Amino acid sequence: GENVEQHPSTLSVQEGDSAVIKCTYSDSASNYFPWYKQELGKRPQLIIDIRSNVGEKKDQRIAVTLNKTAKHFSLHITETQPEDSAVYFCAASNSGGSNYKLTFGKGTLLTVNP
Amino acid sequence: DGGITQSPKYLFRKEGQNVTLSCEQNLNHDAMYWYRQDPGQGLRLIYYSQIVNDFQKGDIAEGYSVSREKKESFPLTVTSAQKNPTAFYLCASSTPAAGYTFGSGTRLTVV
Repeated sequence: GENVEQHPSTLSVQEGDSAVIKCTYSDSASNYFPWYKQELGKRPQLIIDIRSNVGEKKDQRIAVTLNKTAKHFSLHITETQPEDSAVYFCAASNSGGSNYKLTFGKGTLLTVNP
Repeated sequence: DGGITQSPKYLFRKEGQNVTLSCEQNLNHDAMYWYRQDPGQGLRLIYYSQIVNDFQKGDIAEGYSVSREKKESFPLTVTSAQKNPTAFYLCASSTPAAGYTFGSGTRLTVV
């Protein structure tokens, strides 16, 4: 089955700096890669996703890049703010048909210091 | 709760007791999932269901059971065979277009 590795497990940055979280996956058939943000005690919320037919996607301060050859993808957050502090999860799946199951990384605790 | 409701929010289980966690969605999603979340472990898949009356084991199904008698409902039973059930349990539903929608979770504690 799919295996997703996520690094680093913790990341601390100063407000205004950039943050980068990296993930690798094992199944070359995976074609959908979402990123979730989870605040303490809350449900994960989708912040951005990318499909295998594109190499980069950007939404305001958040971007995701995908390298299918190397089987890795990364989340980039620019101009970080204290409210960006949360746990971030990457995931991968082979989406097809009417549904798919996601395999998640173990998460990165991001702390943005004012 | 964004169309998917989990109850209860907190649940306490005694040793040797079975408990059932509820998950209901009104999003008309075909697929539903149960994940377990432990500190530092991410989300691990317990069971998933693609259609009514059908479900498959995930990565950590031992000690758990599910049913999918209705499209809207996917309850999870934590049986006495699950030796370390204390965790945060998340239910989700999905479509390829909409992606995953998560419930707000149930925190289960063994007392």
